[in-house]
Amino acid sequence: DTEVTQTPKHLVMGMTNKKSLKCEQHMGHRAMYWYKQKAKKPPELMFVYSYEKLSINESVPSRFSPECPNSSLLNLHLHALQPEDSALYLCASSQDVGGYSEKLFFGSGTQLSVL
Amino acid sequence: DQQVKQNSPSLSVQEGRISILNCDYTNSMFDYFLWYKKYPAEGPTFLISISSIKDKNEDGRFTVFLNKSAKHLSLHIVPSQPGDSAVYFCAASLHTGTASKLTFGTGTRLQVTL
Repeated sequence: DTEVTQTPKHLVMGMTNKKSLKCEQHMGHRAMYWYKQKAKKPPELMFVYSYEKLSINESVPSRFSPECPNSSLLNLHLHALQPEDSALYLCASSQDVGGYSEKLFFGSGTQLSVL
Repeated sequence: DQQVKQNSPSLSVQEGRISILNCDYTNSMFDYFLWYKKYPAEGPTFLISISSIKDKNEDGRFTVFLNKSAKHLSLHIVPSQPGDSAVYFCAASLHTGTASKLTFGTGTRLQVTL
């Protein structure tokens, strides 16, 4: 199983809503990532979890709250988002934490629209 | 500050010919380079990678070349097929000690025509 599964695939939310994005992998990977991609732009790193602990936060606003309940699951909790937060949110995982030659496996993403 | 750049936003190649996608980077600390292929509304799919200690890596129709002195890498696809049409991102990895940070280039849209 080389899949990273993300749900939901599409999400529309208002600025006052609270929602969560979910990501799951069963490859035994110990690092998990959240990336954000706007249209016609490259993916940008948001958060990295290593062994279920947050190791990198790329100065992401607090309206985005990541959570790693266990080594297979990664959530991104959303609250009071702005329309400019509309984007494709990508989850990824990799095998070795901090190892060289890291290859990231990506999920299909959640296309988020904030109204 | 775009540390990884792909200066050609698009490329059109005839089926059967060679596709050459280029990528330049500025940070000499990058130690691993990857190419990803991406379709709209999908996640990037890993294609091929190269360590900074090598100058070439080959996998089937895909070959990646690295020129460290020029801070330049390229992806060659031979022969190109219509199914190769997608956006290609190069990515550079920085080992932080706790995780790897991938920085993506701006992408090149490859169109393989019949």
